Amino acid sequence: NAGVTQTPKFQVLKTGQSMTLQCAQDMNHEYMSWYRQDPGMGLRLIHYSVGAGITDQGEVPNGYNVSRSTTEDFPLRLLSAAPSQTSVYFCASRTGTIFTGELFFGEGSRLTVL
Amino acid sequence: GDSVTQMEGPVTLSEEAFLTINCTYTATGYPSLFWYVQYPGEGLQLLLKATKADDKGSNKGFEATYRKETTSFHLEKGSVQVSDSAVYFCALSPNQAGTALIFGKGTTLSVSS
Repeated sequence: NAGVTQTPKFQVLKTGQSMTLQCAQDMNHEYMSWYRQDPGMGLRLIHYSVGAGITDQGEVPNGYNVSRSTTEDFPLRLLSAAPSQTSVYFCASRTGTIFTGELFFGEGSRLTVL
Repeated sequence: GDSVTQMEGPVTLSEEAFLTINCTYTATGYPSLFWYVQYPGEGLQLLLKATKADDKGSNKGFEATYRKETTSFHLEKGSVQVSDSAVYFCALSPNQAGTALIFGKGTTLSVSS
């Protein structure tokens, strides 16, 4: 099983550029989410989705957009990158209705904004 | 709101030493509690979980007991190995529709031989 697949693994952007981090899962999970990981801050939730066509904001949504057109895919868009968005980004998914279920993580995407 | 607090790291131990990583939580309802581990260069993976008070989660020699009276979920291992070197995250699920997993800031464990 591929599980949760994130692309790209590494990316360098200049301030003001846009890009999309891709996330795909093959486990038919209803729930998908994006976190960012920064030193000393742990993981902070950016956006999440409980099913196709449904998205909601997390703790730190500013500067990021998401959409969920299919169950499998949950891309994260940076419309105008800023140095403060330099971070490691993780996509994660789980079964939607079982809150005690395991959250499956991708391997992460390291983004540097110059 | 709900939150998780973990002990600050890094924690540095010799092989075969006893490990405790403290985790306390604040929650209004009846949350489930988790420990996730992140090995260098990888994503997080579930280590163990407990879904109700007094439950004990265990895996790979690690244990944690859900203590409602002290709102704690401390991670323990009797004898650590070099391969246990990683970042450990305590997390909480409010067990409500539309809510997300809440993570602590993580504790880095370094084990030397």
